[in-house]
Amino acid sequence: AAGVIQSPRHLIKEKRETATLKCYPIPRHDTVYWYQQGPGQDPQFLISFYEKMQSDKGSIPDRFSAQQFSDYHSELNMSSLELGDSALYFCASSLERDRENEKNTEAFFGQGTRLTVV
Amino acid sequence: GENVEQHPSTLSVQEGDSAVIKCTYSDSASNYFPWYKQELGKRPQLIIDIRSNVGEKKDQRIAVTLNKTAKHFSLHITETQPEDSAVYFCAALWGTSGTYKYIFGTGTRLKVLA
Repeated sequence: AAGVIQSPRHLIKEKRETATLKCYPIPRHDTVYWYQQGPGQDPQFLISFYEKMQSDKGSIPDRFSAQQFSDYHSELNMSSLELGDSALYFCASSLERDRENEKNTEAFFGQGTRLTVV
Repeated sequence: GENVEQHPSTLSVQEGDSAVIKCTYSDSASNYFPWYKQELGKRPQLIIDIRSNVGEKKDQRIAVTLNKTAKHFSLHITETQPEDSAVYFCAALWGTSGTYKYIFGTGTRLKVLA
């Protein structure tokens, strides 16, 4: 079965550069989430999309932006990178419409993008 | 605000013993509580979940209990094995139709000693 695909898996950037992370959710899933996980930390919610519309924002810096496209893939754009942005970035997707209809559903995580800012 | 507290932060048990991890959440409107296992450098993977209309759920050696009144839920692992060693995160789903997010606990590093 298809899973959540993230690219690239690893990314090394210099300070003040820009990075773009991509996420391809599981087909038919209507919700995409982005998380940032620093070393030894829990995943921190950045932003989510429901049916291609931004639905909620968490602790996402103004230097970061995200969007979801017509084919449902999502991109996280990060500008003016700082050393502290080095982390694992996870994308997850789920079919929340099933939960609203009292069906079982869960969020599936991609393998993550490890961003290192040097 | 939305918050999930998780205890303990580290837990060491002897192989074959039980492990219990506890979480509390702040928003009584949350109705879905998954538990994730994460190995170093890998993605979180769902191991068990529970909905708010259920008090307990079991899957082989893993069980989760939920007390909605007290707003806490717990993960129970019995007959622990070395391969259970990992970081475990609880989470709570916040939001309503179309505006969802998972808030994670701070994680528990479980070590199963052979």
